[in-house]
Amino acid sequence: EAGVTQFPSHSVIEKGQTVTLRCDPISGHDNLYWYRRVMGKEIKFLLHFVKESKQDESGMPNNRFLAERTGGTYSTLKVQPAELEDSGVYFCASSPRTGASNYGYTFGSGTRLTVV
Amino acid sequence: QKEVEQNSGPLSVPEGAIASLNCTYSDRGSQSFFWYRQYSGKSPELIMSIYSNGDKEDGRFTAQLNKASQYVSLLIRDSQPSDSATYLCAVKMDSSYKLIFGSGTRLLVRP
Repeated sequence: EAGVTQFPSHSVIEKGQTVTLRCDPISGHDNLYWYRRVMGKEIKFLLHFVKESKQDESGMPNNRFLAERTGGTYSTLKVQPAELEDSGVYFCASSPRTGASNYGYTFGSGTRLTVV
Repeated sequence: QKEVEQNSGPLSVPEGAIASLNCTYSDRGSQSFFWYRQYSGKSPELIMSIYSNGDKEDGRFTAQLNKASQYVSLLIRDSQPSDSATYLCAVKMDSSYKLIFGSGTRLLVRP
């Protein structure tokens, strides 16, 4: 079984530019999550999809961040325009539907975003 | 006060010793508790989950939960250099899928 795949693994962009991160969850996993770890801080929740629907986006920092999951498969997270404080590691994770609320998820290896 | 607190470490133990990692949480509504291991530059990997008070053992790992004290710990027996990593404690409310993470404890196992 393929794991959670994230692309790109690293991205360096200038302040004001746009970046799109992609996540391919484990096949068949209805739940998809985005998390972020900024330097020196803990990993923080951004949002949660169930299939193509946003279940909880309470962690999205502001309207410069847009997440989509068209067709309930892969997801993208767009940052537009990027600011310096957006630098960090963005993790995607997925979990199956049944009984998922009691299970930890499977994480991807993350995208390290550096805004200069 | 942080929602999930962990000592950042590093916690240094000799090979073969027991490593004890601790975590406290603030929300009494937390119902599910997880320990993730993260090697540098890699993804967090789930190693233990615990939901009820007491101990749960899996190989060299034992998770301990005390809801009254709002405390969860991870014991690693016969520590190996390959156990050197950052260990992340995460908690979850039953009503939510959201994990709340601590900042992690770095463990160093000396050969």
